Amino acid sequence: EAQVTQNPRYLITVTGKKLTVTCSQNMNHEYMSWYRQDPGLGLRQIYYSMNVEVTDKGDVPEGYKVSRKEKRNFPLILESPSPNQTSLYFCAIRRTGGADTQYFGPGTRLTVL
Amino acid sequence: DAKTTQPNSMESNEEEPVHLPCNHSTISGTDYIHWYRQLPSQGPEYVIHGLTSNVNNRMASLAIAEDRKSSTLILHRATLRDAAVYYCILGNNAGNMLTFGGGTRLMVKP
Repeated sequence: EAQVTQNPRYLITVTGKKLTVTCSQNMNHEYMSWYRQDPGLGLRQIYYSMNVEVTDKGDVPEGYKVSRKEKRNFPLILESPSPNQTSLYFCAIRRTGGADTQYFGPGTRLTVL
Repeated sequence: DAKTTQPNSMESNEEEPVHLPCNHSTISGTDYIHWYRQLPSQGPEYVIHGLTSNVNNRMASLAIAEDRKSSTLILHRATLRDAAVYYCILGNNAGNMLTFGGGTRLMVKP
């Protein structure tokens, strides 16, 4: 069974304090992605990675960084969080290819004061 | 980039069929059509996907128009547990999933 783990699940922080949200998978899938979800805006993709050391911007990458040094992990880094990054974040995985199913993590609710 | 358009919300009665429409008029020939749903307080989960032919699985059916510019997700007998936001999105062979739109919020009345 596909498992996507995110940590932490809930985080309250203050403006400017660097944070990292981790995402790990047990499926050995090449593709990993980060989304944010805000009321009325649906899910918007932040960054995605097609494989180790290969990352690319999604629709809303500003203010975020990612890295993919190993296949199973894809951390999302907020170097200087701001209140407009308060959101619900989801990590997702799948094999590459247009037909493949995407599996989502349980979500991380981030509040930046 | 090809985008999808869905109604904001729909209502259904329990145990009746539900047809959720999606327009994707700029779909490319290699884009797959995927449907996901998101139950309250959960991450999105896969429902069904297809390329050209209609598809059935234990959760739903997917009807794809002949020109592929639209599709319809069919829930044959809606239950209260089917109340969720349903997203229609496109997956291309370059590997990335195109953007989720706002989805359709399905409300199921007992």
